[in-house]
Formats: sequence, C-alpha cells, structure tokens
Amino acid sequence: QVQLQESGPGLVRPSQTLSLTCTVSGASLRSGNFWTWIRQFPGKGLEWIGYTYHTGTTFYNPSLKSRIIISVDVSKNQFSLNLSSVTAADTAVYYCARDVYGPPGNRFDLWGQGTLVTVSS
Amino acid sequence: QSVLTQPPSVSGAPGQGVTISCTGGTSNIGAGNDVNWYQHVPGASPRLLISRTYNRPSGVPDRFSGSKSGASASLAITGLQAEDEGDYYCQSYDRSLTVVFGGGTTLTVL
Repeated sequence: QVQLQESGPGLVRPSQTLSLTCTVSGASLRSGNFWTWIRQFPGKGLEWIGYTYHTGTTFYNPSLKSRIIISVDVSKNQFSLNLSSVTAADTAVYYCARDVYGPPGNRFDLWGQGTLVTVSS
Repeated sequence: QSVLTQPPSVSGAPGQGVTISCTGGTSNIGAGNDVNWYQHVPGASPRLLISRTYNRPSGVPDRFSGSKSGASASLAITGLQAEDEGDYYCQSYDRSLTVVFGGGTTLTVL
C-alpha cells in the first residue's frame, strides 16, 4: 500500500523559509510519477505548487516560481518543498501527492494527510 | 479567486441526486483538457473520484459520474448517502502551464 507522509514545522516566522518533506512508502520515487505539492488555504481553496520527477526535473506554479525549490532524494525516497520569504498569505495545509500522468493530464491519485503550516510572528 | 468556478454549496436529501458544476474557459476545460474530481471529507485526505472527465477509479461507486460540455464539466451524484457529505473539487490543466482547481463545493446531505 502506497502512502505519503508530510513532515516539518507547523509554525514559520514571516520572511523565513518554509521547509517540508514528504516520505513515500510502498513505492519508489523512480516509478515514473510526478511527485507534487499542493496547498489548501483556510477558506478551502486548493493551489497547485509544483512537482518533481525522480530525475530532479521540476515544474513550478508560475505565480510561486521565484520563491519555490522542490528537490528529491531517491536514496531516502523523499521529496521536499522550500518556500522562501513567507507571509501570512502562505498559511495553509500543505499536501504532498502523486501525479500519475503529468501535464496536460495531471491527476492526483494519492495524497498525504496534510500538514498545517501557520506563518506568524 | 479560482480559475475554475464551482457553486459554494449544494444539498440534497438521502436517496436523491445532485449535480455540481465546474465552469472554466478556453484555456483549460474548453481547450479539451481533462477534468478530474476530488472528494474531501472531514478528517481524510482528498480522494480522486473521477479521472479524465468520465472515469471512476477502482473502488468509486457508480453513483458518481462525470461529464463535460464545452468549457464546463459536471459531477453527478445519485442515491445520496450521509457518507457523501464533504467538499468536492474539480481540477484541470491550463494553457498557462498550470494545474488549476475549482474553489470547491460543500455537499450537505439533509
């Protein structure tokens, strides 16, 4: 059974960098999927952040591109999100997910349980 | 403001049916891109409910069905059950090279 689990701090100070890791169990990152970060704002809207392939190839939401780095560590079967210069507007539940197809047929068949990150001083 | 527009809420009595609409534009749904639907019930992770506009992944009851016309898509749920309560989201791909979601629709089973 494939599972994804997010981990990282639940509180980040404004202007600092948000760092999260997703650990994948039951499947290899080399399985050909696109490993993705998605966030859900308090008002319930969802926003796609970006994805990485196991080779390290990445693609980011253009609106966030200047602040994002998504990286992959195949030896640990993990991928990570760094979002810099955070503000209160970045407060959200962050999900990691598996995209089984990629663009333009992106679809997310597995999600982690999500982790709430609050940006506050 | 979400790129795809959904009604904020819908409701129906047990056993009845409801339809949730998802309206996009010529750069996403209207460009022929697939629409996917997700169910998000309290306490659980989002679940892929409809894949590639019409297809149900394994384990999804046939009470759920998807359709599309032009730049809009719809999710139909028949035979409502209490366990269907939650939030429903549509998702597609946009010509701006972005995955886009609807704002979500809360389903209440009366």
